[in-house]
Amino acid sequence: SQQGEEDPQALSIQEGENATMNCSYKTSINNLQWYRQNSGRGLVHLILIRSNEREKHSGRLRVTLDTSKKSSSLLITASRAADTASYFCATALNQAGTALIFGKGTTLSVSS
Amino acid sequence: DAGITQSPRHKVTETGTPVTLRCHQTENHRYMYWYRQDPGHGLRLIHYSYGVKDTDKGEVSDGYSVSRSKTEDFLLTLESATSSQTSVYFCAISELDQTLDGYTFGSGTRLTVV
Repeated sequence: SQQGEEDPQALSIQEGENATMNCSYKTSINNLQWYRQNSGRGLVHLILIRSNEREKHSGRLRVTLDTSKKSSSLLITASRAADTASYFCATALNQAGTALIFGKGTTLSVSS
Repeated sequence: DAGITQSPRHKVTETGTPVTLRCHQTENHRYMYWYRQDPGHGLRLIHYSYGVKDTDKGEVSDGYSVSRSKTEDFLLTLESATSSQTSVYFCAISELDQTLDGYTFGSGTRLTVV
C-alpha cells in the first residue's frame, strides 16, 4: 500500500488564486518530497522538507510539515495556467529509506 | 530529460513475450529506480538499484526482473508480458543516499501488451 495519500484528488481554480494540496502518510519519515508531472511527461522534483522543518518556501511554493499529524501541505500562490499538472508527495519506502514511494497525486487545473 | 534516457519510448507487444526496457544515464548516479504509472494507482515502485549488481524489490515486483551490469544502465525485463503490465514505465535516478535528495525522472516508456 502507498505511504502517502494526496487530497483532494482533483482541484480546479482560476488564475491568480491559491492552490492547496494535502498529503498524509503512515510511518515516521526523514523527509517528504513534492513532485510535479505535466501531462505525458516524467515527474519533476519541486521541494524537499526535512522532518525537523515545519515550513519551507521556494518561489511561489510553500510546503508545511506536521509530523505529529503525519501530514504535509503544498501551497501554490498566485496560480498560473502553466501550473496545471499533477502533484505528488513522496516518502521513503521503509525506515531504511531505500527508495521513494509516491501517492496517487492531486490533479490541478488552472484556467485563465 | 537531461542525463537520463529511456528506450523505447513506445512499444506494443504480445501476451507471453519477453520485453526489456532500458534506462540509460550519463550522470554517474549510484541509485536507479523503475516505477510504473497507472490511472488510479499513481506511481508504484517496481525495483531499484543501489549500485552495480545491487538491486532490490519494490512494491510491485512480481513478473519483473532487473539487471545493472554498468553504472549507466538499468534494464527492466518483463519475463512473460501480460495485459496487466500495460502501463507507462518511468526510470529515475538519484545521486545522494536514496531518499535524501530529489529524483530525476526519464520521459517514460508507454508499453501496451495485446
